[in-house]
Amino acid sequence: EADIYQTPRYLVIGTGKKITLECSQTMGHDKMYWYQQDPGMELHLIHYSYGVNSTEKGDLSSESTVSRIRTEHFPLTLESARPSHTSQYLCASRGPGSNQPQHFGDGTRLSIL
Amino acid sequence: DQQVKQNSPSLSVQEGRISILNCDYTNSMFDYFLWYKKYPAEGPTFLISISSIKDKNEDGRFTVFLNKSAKHLSLHIVPSQPGDSAVYFCAASGNYGGSQGNLIFGKGTKLSVKP
Repeated sequence: EADIYQTPRYLVIGTGKKITLECSQTMGHDKMYWYQQDPGMELHLIHYSYGVNSTEKGDLSSESTVSRIRTEHFPLTLESARPSHTSQYLCASRGPGSNQPQHFGDGTRLSIL
Repeated sequence: DQQVKQNSPSLSVQEGRISILNCDYTNSMFDYFLWYKKYPAEGPTFLISISSIKDKNEDGRFTVFLNKSAKHLSLHIVPSQPGDSAVYFCAASGNYGGSQGNLIFGKGTKLSVKP
């Protein structure tokens, strides 16, 4: 079981603010992911990384950006938050090899006023 | 177009009985399938998986069945317990061009197990 931590768990903030959602894992996993999920909907992949200095955009277009400077850390940033960014953001990591499950953090529920 | 479909948004089952959650997929290149369980305000928790070389995988009360010809998989929970009440997500992946082996999720089925 991966230990993966997300902070903050909840964030309510005004429009136009810069936001960074933190995600850290202690398993040394190279592969990390960010998903966005709205109630009653599927998880949509917005960013992923296969290692340090590697970042790719996912299937769902997002105005957020990510960085991967250290293996254990994969933060997501919104430069100027808008109400349309209100959602739950889930971070995951996966071990090496094929057919390995992704393990998720508890998510950040973001509300932009 | 959804590649992974969970057509039942909700399911209600009596405690002790069997819960059967269904999932259909359209992409024949998928070769690895997973089920996740999600409680409110928590992240998804990995439950069980199956690769396309198998048609059944069992782990305690949880069994996943895969029917490749029908592009259908199901999760059986026997016996169901009130603590199983959660949203269950089906996910699939495959190593084909452009996929990067990333997971595609269904919309989830909310299971309620009544005492």
